[in-house]
Amino acid sequence: GAVVSQHPSRVICKSGTSVKIECRSLDFQATTMFWYRQFPKQSLMLMATSNEGSKATYEQGVEKDKFLINHASLTLSTLTVTSAHPEDSSFYICSALTSSSYNEQFFGPGTRLTVL
Amino acid sequence: GQQLNQSPQSMFIQEGEDVSMNCTSSSIFNTWLWYKQDPGEGPVLLIALYKAGELTSNGRLTAQFGITRKDSFLNISASIPSDVGIYFCAGQLGYALNFGKGTSLLVTP
Repeated sequence: GAVVSQHPSRVICKSGTSVKIECRSLDFQATTMFWYRQFPKQSLMLMATSNEGSKATYEQGVEKDKFLINHASLTLSTLTVTSAHPEDSSFYICSALTSSSYNEQFFGPGTRLTVL
Repeated sequence: GQQLNQSPQSMFIQEGEDVSMNCTSSSIFNTWLWYKQDPGEGPVLLIALYKAGELTSNGRLTAQFGITRKDSFLNISASIPSDVGIYFCAGQLGYALNFGKGTSLLVTP
């Protein structure tokens, strides 16, 4: 199956700093990637849809100025958490959409963000 | 997006037992998916269902796409300790995935 990687796998930062998380599709091209957030013992909640060459589409309640998304190429999307605060601590997971007719998404392994 | 109703919330069973979990929705979906997530990792696709009424197996796993397109179930037969994890259903209409709240499965040897 298709492989999606994320970097870093975990990051700890101080409050007020910015953190960038990378999502890469390793063996396929993805014009669309998705960013999810998952709090402990909860489900995945879609934050935004990242489209190569255009602006991301954010879900209701997600601040676009706080969670900057850049889909720089057909294999890379980045999520930057700006001016991070402890409440931003969470598990961030990306997925990449394949070109199959079934709209399959493959998920990355996730990034654990802890803001002190 | 819409969150699906997934039950049970958790299950604690003995090795060898069968397991059943289900998801319901107030909306119809074109695709139902079942994922397993281990701690600290991303979800891994177990079974995908693309047609109402479809019954699909993957080893010890069997899943069905409800005829109304608003529900799905997943069965695991003869559970083993490595089945431990959180199982999520997801309904898909277009690109977006709508996830259930998950079923936490614990299997004792």
